Amino acid sequence: DGGITQSPKYLFRKEGQNVTLSCEQNLNHDAMYWYRQDPGQGLRLIYYSQIVNDFQKGDIAEGYSVSREKKESFPLTVTSAQKNPTAFYLCASSNPRAVNGYGYTFGSGTRLTVV
Amino acid sequence: RKEVEQDPGPFNVPEGATVAFNCTYSNSASQSFFWYRQDCRKEPKLLMSVYSSGNEDGRFTAQLNRASQYISLLIRDSKLSDSATYLCVVNNPTGGGNKLTFGTGTQLKVEL
Repeated sequence: DGGITQSPKYLFRKEGQNVTLSCEQNLNHDAMYWYRQDPGQGLRLIYYSQIVNDFQKGDIAEGYSVSREKKESFPLTVTSAQKNPTAFYLCASSNPRAVNGYGYTFGSGTRLTVV
Repeated sequence: RKEVEQDPGPFNVPEGATVAFNCTYSNSASQSFFWYRQDCRKEPKLLMSVYSSGNEDGRFTAQLNRASQYISLLIRDSKLSDSATYLCVVNNPTGGGNKLTFGTGTQLKVEL
């Protein structure tokens, strides 16, 4: 079955360390996204990519970096510059040609905790 | 002003009740509208799209008022399994793609 896979499910990181969250999809979707969710808050867009080798900053890109070398993969690196990295990170993919957004599929998320 | 605003709740309702959620959005150029459901500590899942003509899926009815930039979701005969957070979501076009903006969600708790 096609889907989007995030790993790991839980991640603990020491302060000052960089960490990379994995996101892989086999849906043949062109666009991929990273969102962050904090308790009591909505999803906030970190980065998105509409095509391989291209990506744009979202609303809260500071302290994060991404790459899009393959269509299937969109890893997110949380750097030591990110002041409050503890959060629930969600990756999503979509088919831009799906006008009504039915192609917007989420992975099951990664819970990052800085210790 | 937030792009998408929702009452955070929680809405505590008895089983069988009818409950209505509202949402407003600020970008008049927004093209598509959705309700997503998110269970505790899980990813959001698409519940239904929202059209100006209104659309219904079983016990769920969604409505869009473009003039007022207002979206609603009505749940009839609520079940315990409806307990979740309901996210109002707006699609703002961006250079040929689509980028969804999420409200903070309205929490629903259905009780016996």
